[in-house]
Amino acid sequence: ETGVTQTPRHLVMGMTNKKSLKCEQHLGHNAMYWYKQSAKKPLELMFVYSLEERVENNSVPSRFSPECPNSSHLFLHLHTLQPEDSALYLCASSHDTARGYTFGSGTRLTVV
Amino acid sequence: GIQVEQSPPDLILQEGANSTLRCNFSDSVNNLQWFHQNPWGQLINLFYIPSGTKQNGRLSATTVATERYSLLYISSSQTTDSGVYFCAVRRSYNTDKLIFGTGTRLQVFP
Repeated sequence: ETGVTQTPRHLVMGMTNKKSLKCEQHLGHNAMYWYKQSAKKPLELMFVYSLEERVENNSVPSRFSPECPNSSHLFLHLHTLQPEDSALYLCASSHDTARGYTFGSGTRLTVV
Repeated sequence: GIQVEQSPPDLILQEGANSTLRCNFSDSVNNLQWFHQNPWGQLINLFYIPSGTKQNGRLSATTVATERYSLLYISSSQTTDSGVYFCAVRRSYNTDKLIFGTGTRLQVFP
């Protein structure tokens, strides 16, 4: 365990389903991130939250909706996804004065 | 934006061999990390090394910030070293995003 926990580890969902990914960190970090890793592509930053406020949204489609209720928890709400959204979704956290990012184990999402 | 290039893209080694992975970046950075992604997708932080040299067991890393590159050395490679190695950089200590390179895929055969 790295200190950043993601659930579920695997998720298969239909295009009409609604599901949520969860990320939790107990490292005392004040920033959290969602990254997407598709096959044969670099990791893409999706969302950044600093002190529970969204500070960056990299033109992500509205079918992905993040939520950060407190500095330890981050969610990614999913609805009406497309098959091309199938990917590994990674959560990370950092502290603005600390030494780098810590990643969770990821959620492998398959949209059918 | 800042560009991060890694080489080689693929590397095949026999167990026991040594290797060097390279990361070039196009702008000044305050944060550079090397990660190992295992076959299950887990990104393991290997080094936080914005400058200088660090060693951890069979792995070591050197970053020459003024020349904008970093090297990851793997000595006496083992099959468990297989996976993808990513270099990632960040320009400041605030929440500016971590930019990843495209990775080096390493396969170590017995």
